[in-house]
Amino acid sequence: QSALTQPRSVSGSPGQSVTISCTGTSSDVGGYNYVSWYQQHPGKAPKLMIYDVSKRPSGVPDRFSGSKSGNTASLTISGLQAEDEADYYCCSYAGSYTFYVFGSGTKVTVL
Amino acid sequence: EVQLVQSGAEVKKPGESLKISCKGSGYSFTSYWIGWVRQMPGKGLEWMGIIHPGDSDTRYSPSFQGQVTISADKSINTAYLQWSSLKASDTAMYYCARRLAAAGYYYYAMDVWGQGTTVTVSS
Repeated sequence: QSALTQPRSVSGSPGQSVTISCTGTSSDVGGYNYVSWYQQHPGKAPKLMIYDVSKRPSGVPDRFSGSKSGNTASLTISGLQAEDEADYYCCSYAGSYTFYVFGSGTKVTVL
Repeated sequence: EVQLVQSGAEVKKPGESLKISCKGSGYSFTSYWIGWVRQMPGKGLEWMGIIHPGDSDTRYSPSFQGQVTISADKSINTAYLQWSSLKASDTAMYYCARRLAAAGYYYYAMDVWGQGTTVTVSS
């Protein structure tokens, strides 16, 4: 099972919006509405930001939103803030044999 | 407070065995799946496998099947990841994480993460 494809990096100025794509196949992203997104600051453990494509856990700012179309899921950060600078990983359920597959990761830089 | 606390950093030689731990507290340990994730130096997250401590039901990523063993001891609220013969390529940070659940429904996401255990394998 190959990793889901994400852009290596995206950047934006404070207050702008950035969108991170996550492309898989019909066996993972396209086959289930079970995409989650994780934020990881350097030297820290990942943090759940989005689950079930577009649901936000309690405490996650509504600046973070998720969507999916076909085999591609997306995470949008609106009103970019300095603390949003981090690595972001998508993750999809991929069936009972593989279970989960992570994306390759995207570094978000706040200019 | 719900938390997962992992065992400390390990430095091992190739061929040695190792078992690292992940202790849950602040919630019903037997009611939530615990997964393991690898992050090699400077690289991304990789899914390794998951266990339900209540009944020891365990699933492995095909990439890690046969390479590691995941187990749990529900009497002490602890999950484990072990190797019988380490390789240099096992050098990585290893995270445990709890599968999100609510009202008896298990979501496909991990909501609580341990702080990570660094494993270094070098001769």
